[in-house]
Amino acid sequence: AQSVAQPEDQVKVAEGNPLTVKCTYSVSGNPYLFWYVQYPNRGLQFLLKYITGDNLVKGSYGFEAEFNKSQTSFHLKKPSALVSDSALYFCAVRPQGGKLIFGQGTELSVKP
Amino acid sequence: DADVTQTPRNRITKTGKRIMLECSQTKGHDRMYWYRQDPGLGLRLIYYSFDVKDINKGEISDGYSVSRQAQAKFSLSLESAIPNQTALYFCATSLGFGGEAFFGQGTRLTVV
Repeated sequence: AQSVAQPEDQVKVAEGNPLTVKCTYSVSGNPYLFWYVQYPNRGLQFLLKYITGDNLVKGSYGFEAEFNKSQTSFHLKKPSALVSDSALYFCAVRPQGGKLIFGQGTELSVKP
Repeated sequence: DADVTQTPRNRITKTGKRIMLECSQTKGHDRMYWYRQDPGLGLRLIYYSFDVKDINKGEISDGYSVSRQAQAKFSLSLESAIPNQTALYFCATSLGFGGEAFFGQGTRLTVV
């Protein structure tokens, strides 16, 4: 079955420290990969996507993600976390065939 | 104005009632989706449509139906609402195979 896993329900980091939010996937072929962020009482906002090319993808708000085909992972990273980055983060994959599948989400908490 | 608009934003309904959630978009996208969000479960796909004549079931379509009235409109119906359909519902759109999804603000539905 096609699936996306975010192994951590919650990630806590101190402001200024680097952050990583993990994502692994299980789909056939060469999927498209996405990260979204959800702030309280809001819809999801697109952060970045990987389609092809360079394994390191840069996105909005200083976030980046590293695609690793052998490990089927697409981890979200940021060199220096801000308190305002605190939110719910979703990884998503679109396998060949088209429907967008989401992980269960990771709550990021950045403390001052 | 929002690119993806959901109505209503909040709704309380009684068990057994029929209810329709509406979604309209001004982005000109061909693909539209309905998801529900439950705490700890992420976003689960209910139905999706790749164009006006295409409707597909997602992973949790039981108890729901949809109508793609036009390229810009995609409505979700609960024929006979039940309490475990209480959730936050999101409509999303995307363009083609590689386009990222854009989300509406969500509809919070409570079935009592």
